[in-house]
Amino acid sequence: DTAVSQTPKYLVTQMGNDKSIKCEQNLGHDTMYWYKQDSKKFLKIMFSYNNKELIINETVPNRFSPKSPDKAHLNLHINSLELGDSAVYFCASSHAPGTGSYEQYFGPGTRLTVT
Amino acid sequence: DAKTTQPPSMDCAEGRAANLPCNHSTISGNEYVYWYRQIHSQGPQYIIHGLKNNETNEMASLIITEDRKSSTLILPHATLRDTAVYYCIVRVASNTGKLIFGQGTTLQVKP
Repeated sequence: DTAVSQTPKYLVTQMGNDKSIKCEQNLGHDTMYWYKQDSKKFLKIMFSYNNKELIINETVPNRFSPKSPDKAHLNLHINSLELGDSAVYFCASSHAPGTGSYEQYFGPGTRLTVT
Repeated sequence: DAKTTQPPSMDCAEGRAANLPCNHSTISGNEYVYWYRQIHSQGPQYIIHGLKNNETNEMASLIITEDRKSSTLILPHATLRDTAVYYCIVRVASNTGKLIFGQGTTLQVKP
């Protein structure tokens, strides 16, 4: 059983389009995250939701909008895509921060290519 | 969260122990040391974490110095599948859960 899954795995689109990436976890975790890994392989957190409430919002353009319909899902919608948005996006989940050890479990990633 | 320093790359012979060092000289008393790895094109994978004591699980051992300013991740019998980028991260247990990834150490296990 896949613990953290993302769809799609690959996404190729043109500049200016709007796209969404979906993430689901079946681990019963309360907290979910989105990370971005750029071409230089730096991994950086973008957002985090705890029980559907936004708790981390790094300096990310407001073209990026996360949405958490329930604890098991965290989707990422991107408006007006730009070339610089090309990257691999990882979803992760964990137990709520402050509840002790809360290692994060990552999905397989979505490789977004904007042309 | 405290910063960490890791060597950019290391080699290890298959079957031998891989010892990956990490310096975190500014670590605070309530910060944990976490290790993750990222195998090529996959999502990062949790390995182990610790606060003060040495820790061992089915994947690795974590040795933390008494002053907590450095630690070593030990893969006891490295295999080719352990070739990956290894990240050492320090983090306060009660924070928002944000992981700050550095450049990590690229471990190449060679036959």
